[in-house]
Amino acid sequence: DGGITQSPKYLFRKEGQNVTLSCEQNLNHDAMYWYRQDPGQGLRLIYYSQIVNDFQKGDIAEGYSVSREKKESFPLTVTSAQKNPTAFYLCATSRQASPTLKNIQYFGAGTRLSVL
Amino acid sequence: AQSVTQLGSHVSVSEGALVLLRCNYSSSVPPYLFWYVQYPNQGLQLLLKYTSAATLVKGINGFEAEFKKSETSFHLTKPSAHMSDAAEYFCAVSPYNQGGKLIFGQGTELSVKP
Repeated sequence: DGGITQSPKYLFRKEGQNVTLSCEQNLNHDAMYWYRQDPGQGLRLIYYSQIVNDFQKGDIAEGYSVSREKKESFPLTVTSAQKNPTAFYLCATSRQASPTLKNIQYFGAGTRLSVL
Repeated sequence: AQSVTQLGSHVSVSEGALVLLRCNYSSSVPPYLFWYVQYPNQGLQLLLKYTSAATLVKGINGFEAEFKKSETSFHLTKPSAHMSDAAEYFCAVSPYNQGGKLIFGQGTELSVKP
C-alpha cells in the first residue's frame, strides 16, 4: 500500500451524520476506486474515477458520494442515506482505467467505519 | 454479468502441507485474472496475475496459479504451507469492457495449523 494513504484508520458515525473518508495517492495514477468490504462478501465497488473531474457509480453507490477535484485525492462521503454503513472501506488506484495486464490495482490500508 | 466464485470460505491446512484455494470465473471470453492476499486489518496485496503467455503463473511467497480455460478455473496453490501464509485470499477478474474494474470473489480464509 505504499503511496496510498487512507485516513482515518477508524471512524465512528452517529445517526444522521455524514462522514468523509480520505484517500490520497502519490503514485501519479489516473484511476481511483472505492470498495466496501463486508465479511463473507468480498469487495464491492462503490465508485470509481478514471480521470480528474469525472467519476462513475459502481455496484453499490446508493448512500455514498465522491469527488475528484485533484488527481491525488478521491474522498468518499458516507451520507445519512446509507443505512448500514458499518464496513471496511478500501481505496485503490491504477495507472489507467483500462483492463490491461499492466494495469494492476494497488490498495490502501483501509478505514474501518462503525456506527455509534 | 461476469462473476467469480471461490469454493470454500475457510480452508485449514497443516504447516508443510499443500495449499489449494479454488477460483472459478464465468466469462465467454477469458478475462484478466488476479489473486490478492489480505492480512488482518490491512489492504490487499497482489500475489499474481494471469498473462496469456503462460497458463501456469508464478507469484510471490511461493504461490502459483494455473489458468484452465476448459474448466474456467484459476486455482491458487503452494506446495508447502507456512504459518505466515495465514490470511484471506481473493480471486478477482477484470472484464475487458468495464474500465479496469475488478470483480472479486467472496474470499477464502486460510488457516495454518502448527
